Amino acid sequence: NAGVMQNPRHLVRRRGQEARLRCSPMKGHSHVYWYRQLPEEGLKFMVYLQKENIIDESGMPKERFSAEFPKEGPSILRIQQVVRGDSAAYFCASSPPSGLGEQYFGPGTRLTVT
Amino acid sequence: GQQVMQIPQYQHVQEGEDFTTYCNSSTTLSNIQWYKQRPGGHPVFLIQLVKSGEVKKQKRLTFQFGEAKKNSSLHITATQTTDVGTYFCAGSGSGNTGKLIFGQGTTLQVKP
Repeated sequence: NAGVMQNPRHLVRRRGQEARLRCSPMKGHSHVYWYRQLPEEGLKFMVYLQKENIIDESGMPKERFSAEFPKEGPSILRIQQVVRGDSAAYFCASSPPSGLGEQYFGPGTRLTVT
Repeated sequence: GQQVMQIPQYQHVQEGEDFTTYCNSSTTLSNIQWYKQRPGGHPVFLIQLVKSGEVKKQKRLTFQFGEAKKNSSLHITATQTTDVGTYFCAGSGSGNTGKLIFGQGTTLQVKP
């Protein structure tokens, strides 16, 4: 049973480019969460999605960031016009249908903006 | 908004010594979870506490949830070098939406 998958693992973008991060939840999981982690810091909640629905996006910056979890395919976190401050590790987690309880994290995408 | 504070930020211990990290929330939590993250790795779930005053043990690890459901602790007895990593508490608020608010983490270093 494959765990949460994220790709790419490392992504380098120049300022002003777009970054697309993908997350495939564990089999049978219908809830996806995105977190951002800066070096030496904890994880900051960004957004919580179910299939085709955004449940809670209270942690998402108002501009440049968007997320989706389509009926088919992985969840996508999209960052437009990246800036150096967007450099961080972005983790995706999934949980079973109840949406409660433990979250299973993917290996993360390390985004570097040059 | 809801905040979760964790102390200490860093802890260096000699192998065999005990270790404790503390977690405090600004609001009452519906549950609290603990995760461990190794350097360069991703968070791995350790345990979830739900009930007021709950205590759970996993081998050398003891987890407590406060009576008011606003604080928690993780205690490791007789640390080993394999315990190295950052330990995060994460709280779920009263709305119980599944959204987790993470503490800043406590990074544990163990000297052999």
